[in-house]
Amino acid sequence: SAVISQKPSRDICQRGTSLTIQCQVDSQVTMMFWYRQQPGQSLTLIATANQGSEATYESGFVIDKFPISRPNLTFSTLTVSNMSPEDSSIYLCSVDRSDRKIMNTEAFFGQGTRLTVV
Amino acid sequence: GQQLNQSPQSMFIQEGEDVSMNCTSSSIFNTWLWYKQDPGEGPVLLIALYKAGELTSNGRLTAQFGITRKDSFLNISASIPSDVGIYFCAGMNRDDKIIFGKGTRLHILP
Repeated sequence: SAVISQKPSRDICQRGTSLTIQCQVDSQVTMMFWYRQQPGQSLTLIATANQGSEATYESGFVIDKFPISRPNLTFSTLTVSNMSPEDSSIYLCSVDRSDRKIMNTEAFFGQGTRLTVV
Repeated sequence: GQQLNQSPQSMFIQEGEDVSMNCTSSSIFNTWLWYKQDPGEGPVLLIALYKAGELTSNGRLTAQFGITRKDSFLNISASIPSDVGIYFCAGMNRDDKIIFGKGTRLHILP
């Protein structure tokens, strides 16, 4: 498995401000992902954080709202910009441990950041 | 886009009972993953399935990758109070994207 440290674990923010969430992994990984989990809902992929290039965003998510950094193979940040109450969610970092030779993939998650926008 | 239909949405059972939940899709997946999420925590991987027809156990948990590659089930035998939580199925498609089901909330009655 992978040890994923995410911080902050929770925060309450004023609308219009921005929050940067950090994700640190205990080993180098190729793929890092950011998910959003709205209250009582499932997980929705926001973007794939690519090392050395811009993140790849899913439909409905844009870089201006959710800028992502991936400076190296063990670290990534997600910023939630110009927040509104609708951004209140749990944000989760995930890494993918893949062994393409045997076609095995496992995805592991951080403990999440619970964001409340007031 | 691709969707996973997970059922039941919630379950209320007595301690000691067996539990069964499943996920279906109209799309084929190459990998099926089952997660459990406790309150305030991220999802924890329970079982990963890689081949159609594969049946894998992890303690009291058993999961199977459907022959058609469009479905999977998870069984929990002899449930205990710590089994309470939300269980998510997830499938990885050909683009290596992981799609999550909406979750099954397991409640255990005293």
